[in-house]
Amino acid sequence: DIQMTQSPSSLSTSVGDRVTITCQASQNINSFLNWYQQRPGKAPKLLIYAATELPRGVPPRFSGSRSEKDFTLTISSLQPDDFETYYCQQSFRTPYTFGRGTKVEIK
Amino acid sequence: EVQLVESGGGLVQAGGSLRLSCTASGITFDTYEMNWVRQVPGKGLEWVSYIGSPSGPIYYADSVKGRFTISRDNAKNSLYLEMNALRVEDTALYYCTSFTNYYDRSGDKISDGFDLWGQGTMVTVSS
Repeated sequence: DIQMTQSPSSLSTSVGDRVTITCQASQNINSFLNWYQQRPGKAPKLLIYAATELPRGVPPRFSGSRSEKDFTLTISSLQPDDFETYYCQQSFRTPYTFGRGTKVEIK
Repeated sequence: EVQLVESGGGLVQAGGSLRLSCTASGITFDTYEMNWVRQVPGKGLEWVSYIGSPSGPIYYADSVKGRFTISRDNAKNSLYLEMNALRVEDTALYYCTSFTNYYDRSGDKISDGFDLWGQGTMVTVSS
């Protein structure tokens, strides 16, 4: 199985800060990497697909990047709505696997 | 309105069975690849099973292989998960999700994403 190592598991930050979350795949997954945002009690929402692409309606303060097996989600200027949990997920091969999640909390 | 609505969850004893359903509206269901993803409350996400369109292929996580069966009825816009020999560790919120393929300008697939999600149905397995 492809392991997705996501870090950090949590971070405390403030509105307006720049936030970076990383995810490393245990093997090459090309660009088959997605990011999700999840609010408590709600289903996850697709935030970024194919490592760098934003679905329609996702604000441009969110961005993704890839360097070989390393992937990064960046929030350029954190907004109050962004204090949620974020997951990476590979869709290169089944079983589709998720990272353990990063909880972004208010400092 | 585009939505997925799950049902069928509940409390069951270990070794028992449940059948989850997911009804889609607002989409051309038979063209969508579908999945079940589960989440223990307060914990992370685990992919459970996939079914292609219109009816296959089918894949399972090792943790459920041989016990769970995914199926779909495109005439009813519905996805199912038959769960047998349930274990305490199957306790989770089960989400129905659609799977969209993404392509670059050359027509090469660059990813697949879980883009539509239901609200989830809770399955609790007691010992």
